[in-house]
Amino acid sequence: DAGVIQSPRHEVTEMGQEVTLRCKPISGHDYLFWYRQTMMRGLELLIYFNNNVPIDDSGMPEDRFSAKMPNASFSTLKIQPSEPRDSAVYFCASSLSGTGERRMSEKLFFGSGTQLSVL
Amino acid sequence: QQQVKQSPQSLIVQKGGISIINCAYENTAFDYFPWYQQFPGKGPALLIAIRPDVSEKKEGRFTISFNKSAKQFSLHIMDSQPGDSATYFCAANELGRLIRYGQNFVFGPGTRLSVLP
Repeated sequence: DAGVIQSPRHEVTEMGQEVTLRCKPISGHDYLFWYRQTMMRGLELLIYFNNNVPIDDSGMPEDRFSAKMPNASFSTLKIQPSEPRDSAVYFCASSLSGTGERRMSEKLFFGSGTQLSVL
Repeated sequence: QQQVKQSPQSLIVQKGGISIINCAYENTAFDYFPWYQQFPGKGPALLIAIRPDVSEKKEGRFTISFNKSAKQFSLHIMDSQPGDSATYFCAANELGRLIRYGQNFVFGPGTRLSVLP
């Protein structure tokens, strides 16, 4: 399995521009998470999906951020307009439902991240 | 309530030494405590995890110690090697939580470990 695939690996843009980050989860996984990592705040959960449906977007910092999952194999995180304070590494992760009463399995599989720099 | 505290922020250990990283949580509903290891330029990867029904779990040189009453857990790396140099994140989750309630996998701020040769 190729694992979680994110693109681009690096993105440099100017303030005010639209940025779109992409993620392909592991095939068969039904949970998808978007995280943001900064030195100041560590790993922050932005939003997660279950079966393509957004479950919790309370971590999305502002209306400038939006995420979609049009199908089980693709998700996007969009920032419009981008600001310098959005500069961070953005990770996508996927997971598979657990069994029985468990609603989520134990292991998150992370992609290699997108390093975003907003000038 | 959802926060996981982690210390130290950074740690330098000699090769062959013991690395110890500590975490503390507040939410007593957490029922799963994983540790993730992250190398530069890579995403975090699950290293080892524990549930609160046991006080210790060991996998090779890595051991998690769990103190339910103190709401603390720690990662011990025995015989630390330069290849262990990475950032380590503790996390906590409520695996039994229904998906509609959201917010899962709360991560600590991370510890940057450097093992000197």
